[in-house]
Amino acid sequence: QITLKESGPTLVKPTQTLTLTCTFSGFSLTTTGVGVGWIRQPPGEALEWLALIYWNDQKRFSPSLGSRLTITKDTSKNQVVLTMTNVDPVDTGTYYCAYRFRAAGIWRSFDPWGPGTLVTVSS
Amino acid sequence: DIRMTQSPPSLSASVGDRVTITCRASQAISNDLAWFQQKPGKAPQSLIYGASTLQSGVPSKFRGSGSGTDFTLTITSLQPEDFATYYCQQYNDYPYTFGQGTKLEIK
Repeated sequence: QITLKESGPTLVKPTQTLTLTCTFSGFSLTTTGVGVGWIRQPPGEALEWLALIYWNDQKRFSPSLGSRLTITKDTSKNQVVLTMTNVDPVDTGTYYCAYRFRAAGIWRSFDPWGPGTLVTVSS
Repeated sequence: DIRMTQSPPSLSASVGDRVTITCRASQAISNDLAWFQQKPGKAPQSLIYGASTLQSGVPSKFRGSGSGTDFTLTITSLQPEDFATYYCQQYNDYPYTFGQGTKLEIK
């Protein structure tokens, strides 16, 4: 059974750096065709994809966040870490990590997702 | 970026009804389209990937169709647990993008 869980601060001040950790079980990020993504959702708004990291350390980011994002993996700890610099109140929302994989050459969508962690950016 | 436009933004229906939600991509995305269901305070759950393939464990009352730019999610025989917000998402090209959501409410 694949599970993921996000962790990190609930309150961050503007201009600070936000670090979120996704701890997962049931798969390894050393397995070919596996990835972990981050998605966020401001209160009452739609979902927004942020970043992805793959088993081969390929990384993809949302251009709208520019160079503010970094994503790394620690395969020994089964963790993926997302870092967002220079946060602003508009970055307030629930942050989710999610699993995706490739089977028979076809990539599937994000499934499952972690329960999410609410981050508030406020002074 | 590929823009995903969902319609309608909200939908009112009764238990037992059949409803259809549409999702239009601003450019062709083959069948790289997923549908998610989200209930208040919960993480989204994947219903469909590849535009029409049900995720394991998802009941057949959910049906996805379409290819290219136009996609639909049809839900038959609505039950109280189906009232939620539904999102489409394209994963054909980066950045991956979601629709704005369709809130399905009980009439």
